[in-house]
Amino acid sequence: GQQLNQSPQSMFIQEGEDVSMNCTSSSIFNTWLWYKQDPGEGPVLLIALYKAGELTSNGRLTAQFGITRKDSFLNISASIPSDVGIYFCAGQLNSNDMRFGAGTRLTVKP
Amino acid sequence: DTGVSQDPRHKITKRGQNVTFRCDPISEHNRLYWYRQTLGQGPEFLTYFQNEAQLEKSRLLSDRFSAERPKGSFSTLEIQRTEQGDSAMYLCASSLAQGNEKLFFGSGTQLSVL
Repeated sequence: GQQLNQSPQSMFIQEGEDVSMNCTSSSIFNTWLWYKQDPGEGPVLLIALYKAGELTSNGRLTAQFGITRKDSFLNISASIPSDVGIYFCAGQLNSNDMRFGAGTRLTVKP
Repeated sequence: DTGVSQDPRHKITKRGQNVTFRCDPISEHNRLYWYRQTLGQGPEFLTYFQNEAQLEKSRLLSDRFSAERPKGSFSTLEIQRTEQGDSAMYLCASSLAQGNEKLFFGSGTQLSVL
């Protein structure tokens, strides 16, 4: 099946720093989404991308849908302690299920 | 309606027992999904419904698993003869079938099989 490779696996940063994480696939996707998950909770949608090359922002978050449709990145600017959590990318082709990466665990030190 | 709700939040059971989880989607959403998530991994697709019809099932969904959505509203996921390998977070999500799929997840049911 489609395999999403998400990197890095984990990040330890200082409050105020910018963060960048990405997701690559051997398959083409029509939709890329980024989710954040806190411990014991379900994933919460951050950003959805629908067109190759699309760049979308949501506050301090910016995500891009790669031109090849096989990758996406998420940037977080000026990180704050509440950014701590696990960030998942998800890709969808034409089927009605969504494939998730294994997540990037973000730790922000005050 | 404040979002997708799942019940129970936690379930501890002994191997061999049957368990049933419930999901109430966002009220105007006609699609409902079940995912499973193990520690350190992203959610894995199990099955989904459009209204009351179950349209797709993953090969992860063994014959011990059954999902229903009898009236196109809430859904149940039953696991029969549970095994220790069934221990995971079971997540429900819902969406509007409008071409651009934004899945909204519940808080999940954490299953521990002893």
